[in-house]
Amino acid sequence: AQSVTQLGSHVSVSEGALVLLRCNYSSSVPPYLFWYVQYPNQGLQLLLKYTTGATLVKGINGFEAEFKKSETSFHLTKPSAHMSDAAEYFCASAGGYNKLIFGAGTRLAVHP
Amino acid sequence: NAGVTQTPKFRVLKTGQSMTLLCAQDMNHEYMYWYRQDPGMGLRLIHYSVGEGTTAKGEVPDGYNVSRLKKQNFLLGLESAAPSQTSVYFCASRSYREGTEAFFGQGTRLTVV
Repeated sequence: AQSVTQLGSHVSVSEGALVLLRCNYSSSVPPYLFWYVQYPNQGLQLLLKYTTGATLVKGINGFEAEFKKSETSFHLTKPSAHMSDAAEYFCASAGGYNKLIFGAGTRLAVHP
Repeated sequence: NAGVTQTPKFRVLKTGQSMTLLCAQDMNHEYMYWYRQDPGMGLRLIHYSVGEGTTAKGEVPDGYNVSRLKKQNFLLGLESAAPSQTSVYFCASRSYREGTEAFFGQGTRLTVV
């Protein structure tokens, strides 16, 4: 069955520190993978996506993610956190049957 | 270009009442989805549709019904609301082309008392 697991419901970093948000997927078919960001009281906005080809994907606001098939992972990183990065982040997988399944989310806090 | 529009944005229902949430998209997308978002549980798929006149169950379909009579609209119905259905509901749409991302509405905050 298709599933997405995000490790860590809350992550806290200092401004300027590395951001690492973890995502593992389970799918019987090669998946398409997405990272979305949600700011308070708003809908979801796409950060980046992996379809085929290059396994290192760059997105908006300096974020990037690497698809590792051997580890079934799609972790999100940003070299230097900014206060404006504080939000909730969701990993999602579109596998078979056109379903789009989300992980439980990771709330990122950035402190001075 | 409005994208995905959800109506209403807020609603308070009494237990046992019924209501319909409307989702409209103007991007000519084939796929549409309804999710509910609860703290610590992410977005859970309620129902989805891959085209006009077709619907399918997601992860948490019980207590909800849907209809897709027109390609641009996807309706979510609660026949007899329960407090457990208090949540934020999101609609999304997506093209049938492989690898395309979903676009989301701003959400509907529903409280059942």
